[in-house]
Amino acid sequence: NAGVMQNPRHLVRRRGQEARLRCSPMKGHSHVYWYRQLPEEGLKFMVYLQKENIIDESGMPKERFSAEFPKEGPSILRIQQVVRGDSAAYFCASSPPTGPATYNEQFFGPGTRLTVL
Amino acid sequence: AQTVTQSQPEMSVQEAETVTLSCTYDTSESDYYLFWYKQPPSRQMILVIRQEAYKQQNATENRFSVNFQKAAKSFSLKISDSQLGDAAMYFCAYSGQGGKLIFGQGTELSVKP
Repeated sequence: NAGVMQNPRHLVRRRGQEARLRCSPMKGHSHVYWYRQLPEEGLKFMVYLQKENIIDESGMPKERFSAEFPKEGPSILRIQQVVRGDSAAYFCASSPPTGPATYNEQFFGPGTRLTVL
Repeated sequence: AQTVTQSQPEMSVQEAETVTLSCTYDTSESDYYLFWYKQPPSRQMILVIRQEAYKQQNATENRFSVNFQKAAKSFSLKISDSQLGDAAMYFCAYSGQGGKLIFGQGTELSVKP
């Protein structure tokens, strides 16, 4: 069973371009979380998605950032008109469907390191 | 809102010795989970240990154990018989209702041979 996959692993963009980050969850996992890690900092929650639904986007910047998790295919984190401050490592984590009164571990992908020139 | 604080940006330990990393958190929830994650230079996030808040017994995983003080909202990680491969960033994390993880700022652990 392959782990969480993210691509690309490294992405370089110039200011004003668009960045698309992809996350393929583990087989059987229907929950996806995106986190951002700025240099020298811990991971910060951005958004939580289930198939075709955004459950919690309280950590997403209001502008330029969007996320989706379609019925088929990977989850996509999209950053429009990137700025230098968007340079960071973006991690995706997936978990299986949550049962009542249980916690399901989040399995992390290797991350995508975005560099904005 | 929940917060997680790690007050030790860096720690150092001699190989084979024991080290304790500190973590405090703040929450008004009664049911939650606490975690320690390891992030080596590869940046892969690796779950080290997990503690359910309703359990009084401290979690243990081989050389890793926690000291969970619920009333004090403290959750420290003890690494026994430290090995060179333990050198990494360690993050304390909280998860309550909603499932998202809230991370502390991290503690960089170095292990001296």
